[in-house]
Amino acid sequence: DVKVTQSSRYLVKRTGEKVFLECVQDMDHENMFWYRQDPGLGLRLIYFSYDVKMKEKGDIPEGYSVSREKKERFSLILESASTNQTSMYLCASGVGQGIVLTKNIQYFGAGTRLSVL
Amino acid sequence: AQRVTQPEKLLSVFKGAPVELKCNYSYSGSPELFWYVQYSRQRLQLLLRHISRESIKGFTADLNKGETSFHLKKPFAQEEDSAMYYCALKDRGGKLIFGQGTELSVKP
Repeated sequence: DVKVTQSSRYLVKRTGEKVFLECVQDMDHENMFWYRQDPGLGLRLIYFSYDVKMKEKGDIPEGYSVSREKKERFSLILESASTNQTSMYLCASGVGQGIVLTKNIQYFGAGTRLSVL
Repeated sequence: AQRVTQPEKLLSVFKGAPVELKCNYSYSGSPELFWYVQYSRQRLQLLLRHISRESIKGFTADLNKGETSFHLKKPFAQEEDSAMYYCALKDRGGKLIFGQGTELSVKP
């Protein structure tokens, strides 16, 4: 059973704080993704990575950065949190060949609900 | 442009009624489409893929290239089908583009 674990279910931070969201997968997947999920907007891709130390911008990378030092771990960083970054953040992983997902299946974590006050 | 549109934010039906969740896409060429589902307090998961032509939990989805649609259907809705449903399209870079999501509410 694929397991994608996000370190926190709920986080409350203050404006201007540096925030780290952690995601770990145990299936040796090459590809990992960070999305934010907002009502009426669906899932929007922030960043993704198809290999260790590789990263690519998604559709809404502004205000975010990522780190992938090990294959199993993909971190999302909010350099200076703002109230408009209050959202549900979803991490996902999938088997890939380079940038392309094999079978196009993504496995999701339970999500981190971040509130920035 | 590559795009997925789910026109309904909320769909409410009674148990036993047919249900159809709409999905339209914009893509030139042969698309690969998916439906993902998120039940209450559970993680988002794959429901079905059009290339598999499968029926999962009584749901089916047929790709209609003429209408650029991939609607999700079930003849008799059950209360446990209540969830958020996302249609997704594989883009040219191999990533998935998700629609806005439709919340299905099945009432007893």
